[in-house]
Amino acid sequence: QSVLTQPPSASGTPGQRVTISCSGSSSNIGSNFVYWYQQFSGTAPKLLIYRNNQRPSGVPDRFSGSKSGTSASLAISGLRSEDEADYYCVTWDDSLSGRWVFGGGTKLTVL
Amino acid sequence: QLQLQESGPGLVKPSETLSLTCTVSGGSISSSYYYWDWIRQPPGKGLEWIGSIFYSGSSYYNPSLKSRLTISVDTSKNQFSLKLSSVTAADTAVYFCARSPKSPRDAFDIWGQGTLVTVSS
Repeated sequence: QSVLTQPPSASGTPGQRVTISCSGSSSNIGSNFVYWYQQFSGTAPKLLIYRNNQRPSGVPDRFSGSKSGTSASLAISGLRSEDEADYYCVTWDDSLSGRWVFGGGTKLTVL
Repeated sequence: QLQLQESGPGLVKPSETLSLTCTVSGGSISSSYYYWDWIRQPPGKGLEWIGSIFYSGSSYYNPSLKSRLTISVDTSKNQFSLKLSSVTAADTAVYFCARSPKSPRDAFDIWGQGTLVTVSS
């Protein structure tokens, strides 16, 4: 059972906007930055969003992140078939001497 | 361009020790700006942080694995390593090495391709 809670699945049609939520607590999301990763089957995760809402160079501005209180969200606008992947949220958790914690992942299907 | 590459046995027997090495190329592991991390992913499941190490040897471990875990660094070889003892089938996973910025503390920006380790007799 993951410390951060994500919906196991999400879906949308091409061109739509979809959001993926990530829920935590005061010891993790509530007091630390949130990061988002995109992972295609059989490959390493790729950093998509850092420090809640920042995009690394090369990540399209169709991807955006936000955080409010103990929850965070990843939004993907203008959905494309190539966005079909697993998405994970990550943050630092201040409990138990500190540790990185992941969400369980959300499988995004483009219909 | 910094690259990370995991290496080690793909099959480990139950109760034995899993040992992996991550070789850093295209940059120095002795940078004062980064931690070096291990992360794993059981087949069909989510990601789990294992631990981090700094080039000086200071390390942070996931509390759930701490009693079985040793992460070390060899700056002369530009490598860091993972040893996980008393493994069971639950330790079967793809193991990734990664880099994470130290200050401010940021999550993993560069990853290795991952290596599958199966625990089975």
